[in-house]
Amino acid sequence: DIQMTQSPASLSASLEEIVTITCQASQDIGNWLAWYQQKPGKSPQLLIYGATSLADGVPSRFSGSRSGTQYSLKISRLQVEDIGIYYCQQASSAPLTFGSGTKLEIK
Amino acid sequence: QVTLKESGPGILQPSQTLSLTCTFSGFSLSTYGMGVGWIRQPSGKGLEWLANIWWDDDKYYNPSLKNRLTISKDTSNNQAFLKITNVDTADTATYYCARIALNYGSLDYWGQGVMVTVSS
Repeated sequence: DIQMTQSPASLSASLEEIVTITCQASQDIGNWLAWYQQKPGKSPQLLIYGATSLADGVPSRFSGSRSGTQYSLKISRLQVEDIGIYYCQQASSAPLTFGSGTKLEIK
Repeated sequence: QVTLKESGPGILQPSQTLSLTCTFSGFSLSTYGMGVGWIRQPSGKGLEWLANIWWDDDKYYNPSLKNRLTISKDTSNNQAFLKITNVDTADTATYYCARIALNYGSLDYWGQGVMVTVSS
């Protein structure tokens, strides 16, 4: 199975600050990486697919990048509505696997 | 507009079989490249992928649940199903179905989830 090591587990940042979350894949997954945001009591919502492509309706302050087997999600200017838990997920091969999540709070 | 909605028994006893239904609209599971996946999330914990089914009836399962899972579909009625046999308390979770996007297999639309409790 492909392991997705996500960090940090939690993050507290100020409004307008730049936030970065990373996922390290245990083997090559190419661009088969997605990022999701889950707000309290809600279903996960797709933010980024194909490692770098913004999903429909997602604000442009979200972006994804890749360096080898390391993937990053960046929020360029943190807003109040960005609080929640963020997950990465690889879709390169079954079983599909998720990162353990990053809980983002406002400082 | 793509929507998905899960339904299930709510509560069941250990050793019973859990049957879940995902009713969707806005796409067809008979369309080339389309798929539906099932994912679960115990309260306060992370996401666990369970199974996928594709337009051509290809199926993939999470091996960690061994032979307890069966996924199927009813294309005519826009539904996908998941059965989990021999449940125990560890299967207590919110269960989601989601559409699998053509783009890199991401889960682009999710249902609201259905909570399932296994308790004696």
